[in-house]
Amino acid sequence: KQEVTQIPAALSVPEGENLVLNCSFTDSAIYNLQWFRQDPGKGLTSLLLIQSSQREQTSGRLNASLDKSSGRSTLYIAASQPGDSATYLCAVRDTGKLTFGQGTILTVHP
Amino acid sequence: AAGVIQSPRHLIKEKRETATLKCYPIPRHDTVYWYQQGPGQDPQFLISFYEKMQSDKGSIPDRFSAQQFSDYHSELNMSSLELGDSALYFCASSLYGYTGELFFGEGSRLTVL
Repeated sequence: KQEVTQIPAALSVPEGENLVLNCSFTDSAIYNLQWFRQDPGKGLTSLLLIQSSQREQTSGRLNASLDKSSGRSTLYIAASQPGDSATYLCAVRDTGKLTFGQGTILTVHP
Repeated sequence: AAGVIQSPRHLIKEKRETATLKCYPIPRHDTVYWYQQGPGQDPQFLISFYEKMQSDKGSIPDRFSAQQFSDYHSELNMSSLELGDSALYFCASSLYGYTGELFFGEGSRLTVL
């Protein structure tokens, strides 16, 4: 059974810092990996999708990498802003569904 | 761009009552997924449909049932509601296949009193 772990569980940083969120998964036989953002009580916004054949994807200040063989992905956020404060969820797809990690709660303070 | 539409956004029910949630996928998306997210929890997969047929099944209670209709919208029916069913229910849609990106709706918040 696929298990997804995210570290750290919570992170608080001052505005402007570059930061890294980590995601690991137990079964490397995945099709793809998605990073999501969730604001409190809100829906899941897809940030980046990395196919199993890819090593990284970039969107604006976000960069996600994937090392499938070691079962790891990182989400890099450059020049963090208070508006980046949210829960960030990593999810892997090894069958028809996504399996989610518990998320990292990010707080960026001015 | 059109997104996944879920209704109702909020629902309050008493124990043992029945609730129905609806999901309208992104146009041309043929696969629908249902997830349940309890307070402070990660989303848990319930069930998915492709072309009106169940394609995968997760930890969906026997009290719950779902279906996908010919226009691709889906409904999740929950009966004999329990306090523990209080959660945020998400619907997601994608094009068929294991490499497609899933797009999620804003969710339906169910509160069981």
